[in-house]
Formats: sequence, C-alpha cells, structure tokens
Amino acid sequence: GAVVSQHPSWVICKSGTSVKIECRSLDFQATTMFWYRQFPKQSLMLMATSNEGSKATYEQGVEKDKFLINHASLTLSTLTVTSAHPEDSSFYICSARDPGDGGYTFGSGTRLTVV
Amino acid sequence: GDSVTQMEGPVTLSEEAFLTINCTYTATGYPSLFWYVQYPGEGLQLLLKATKADDKGSNKGFEATYRKETTSFHLEKGSVQVSDSAVYFCALKPGTGGFKTIFGAGTRLFVKA
Repeated sequence: GAVVSQHPSWVICKSGTSVKIECRSLDFQATTMFWYRQFPKQSLMLMATSNEGSKATYEQGVEKDKFLINHASLTLSTLTVTSAHPEDSSFYICSARDPGDGGYTFGSGTRLTVV
Repeated sequence: GDSVTQMEGPVTLSEEAFLTINCTYTATGYPSLFWYVQYPGEGLQLLLKATKADDKGSNKGFEATYRKETTSFHLEKGSVQVSDSAVYFCALKPGTGGFKTIFGAGTRLFVKA
C-alpha cells in the first residue's frame, strides 16, 4: 500500500532556532499533503493543506510566517517551524492523498520539543 | 459545519472483553467514514472505512457499520487484547468534495491483562 515517510521522528531544539520536518510519499505522487498538529491527549488539528507547485492553504489561526510549508515536488512537502518556542512543542503529523484511490496515508509523526 | 463526536475516554477493559466506541457525525451529503488507530508514539493508521450507508468496514477483528439513519459509525470488537491499547479516532471525509478529513477527539483504550 501507499507509504508516507516522515522525518525526523523526534527532534529537540533550542528556543529561537528553526526546525524542518519532511514528509515524503514513497510509492506514489501526492499533489496534496496535509499537516496536522496534535496536542497531548487531544485530536489532530489541521494546520494547512500543502499543494504541489502553489502556496499552502492555512487554517484559521495558524501563523503562516511561523509554520512555513514548501511542496516543491510531487513526493515531498516540508514544514519548517521558524523561531521555535516551547509552546510549539507538539506532535506534528503529515498525510498525503493517494490520487490512485483517493485514500489518505499518514506519516509516523514528528515529536518536537523546544527547550 | 461537518463534525464528528466520539465517546470520551479513557476506556479500560480486561482482555477478551467486548469493545464499543461510539461515534456520531454531522455532515451534509454522503460522507465517507473512517476509524484510525494511533499506538503510543506513532502516527495514525487507517483501521477501517465505509463509503456509503449500510457498508460495514472491518479489519483485525474490528467492525463498524455506516448507519445513516442514526448518523453513527460505532467501532466494535468482540474480544480485545492488550495489544489493542491505543487511541482510536473516528473521522469523516465530506461527500461534498474537497480533501479535508475531520477527526473526532479520540478515545483512549487501555486493555488490562
């Protein structure tokens, strides 16, 4: 089946630094990818929809200058958390839509801890 | 707007007990319905899905039936195992087009040996 690889699986960074998270579709081309944030013991919150070759669509309340999304190819979308602060610590998950069957496959997630 | 409501957890069961996690939805049109499972420290995995009314999704002993009359998609398993301990999310994809998936809040299941 469709596989989405997300890297890194966990990262610890200092306040003020930037962190890049990659989401790759390994065996299919994904024109659309999604980035979610999950707070402890809560559900997933959609942050943005990433479209290949165009600007991402951000959900209301998500700072696009802080969470930079780049979808430069049909198999790769990146989320960069800029000038990270401890409140950005969270679990970030990407998903990709397989145009073949319209299903969604999730990455394994990235746990970000900002100290 | 479209939404998903699922029972609050945590749910604690003994091994081999019967599991039901309730899920109801609000949507226009004919959404597709999903159950995802998240094991500790991992991302989400699709557990099962149903795309139209009266469809039954099943996988790994779990089942859920798409009930349009009650707008429900309850998850059931006849005999749970310790390895089923995880968080379960009910979700829908609107039938009116678009790609967004709407998730419920998740229900944490603990299974004791």
